[in-house]
Amino acid sequence: QVQLVQSGAEVKEPGASVKVSCKASGYTFSSYYMHWVRQAPGQGLEWVGIINPSGDTTSYAQKLQGRVTMTRDTSTSTLYMELSSLRSEDTAVYYCARENYLGSGSYLYWGQGTLVTVSS
Amino acid sequence: EIVLTQSPGTLSLSPGERATLSCRASQSVRDNKLAWYQQKPGQAPRLLIHGASSRAAGIPDRFSGSGSGTDFTLTISRLEPEDFAVYYCQQYASSYTFGQGTKLEIK
Repeated sequence: QVQLVQSGAEVKEPGASVKVSCKASGYTFSSYYMHWVRQAPGQGLEWVGIINPSGDTTSYAQKLQGRVTMTRDTSTSTLYMELSSLRSEDTAVYYCARENYLGSGSYLYWGQGTLVTVSS
Repeated sequence: EIVLTQSPGTLSLSPGERATLSCRASQSVRDNKLAWYQQKPGQAPRLLIHGASSRAAGIPDRFSGSGSGTDFTLTISRLEPEDFAVYYCQQYASSYTFGQGTKLEIK
């Protein structure tokens, strides 16, 4: 069965960087687009970015441009999201998500979420 | 950017009743690329509907989606106790955006 298992919670100081991982199993990792979505405490869902199946094309939310980088390692079936110059407003649960089917844009499979807390 | 506005913000109903949730887009959602998700506290969202009206795998048939263009609706025909949660719409026609959510609470 498809599983997305994310790395554990992180606490970072303002200005630092964080790198969250998402290990996929149960399907052919290199066949699907992958996304990151975040959710601030008590708030709604916010799209962060997308990476294509081969990992050579990414697109990010405009408000995060220049601070976010998504990569994927096909050899370990692992997706990564790095966010730099952290601010308190980056405090959120970060989810990786796999599209329902190739190119669909909706997300059938989700990781369990990784809480990133930015605090001094 | 396509802005999605969900209404109402909170819906109070009893088990067995019918729930109607609305999602309005600031511009037309091409090819009805609209999805609905359910989220319970402490859990990741769950895909219910994609393509505005297609149920995702394993979703009970009491959940249905309809609409096109700028107006979309999620209907839950007879509420079960496990349906009380927050619901989000998402468009994936032009980049990706979510609505702010509708909380469905027990009356």
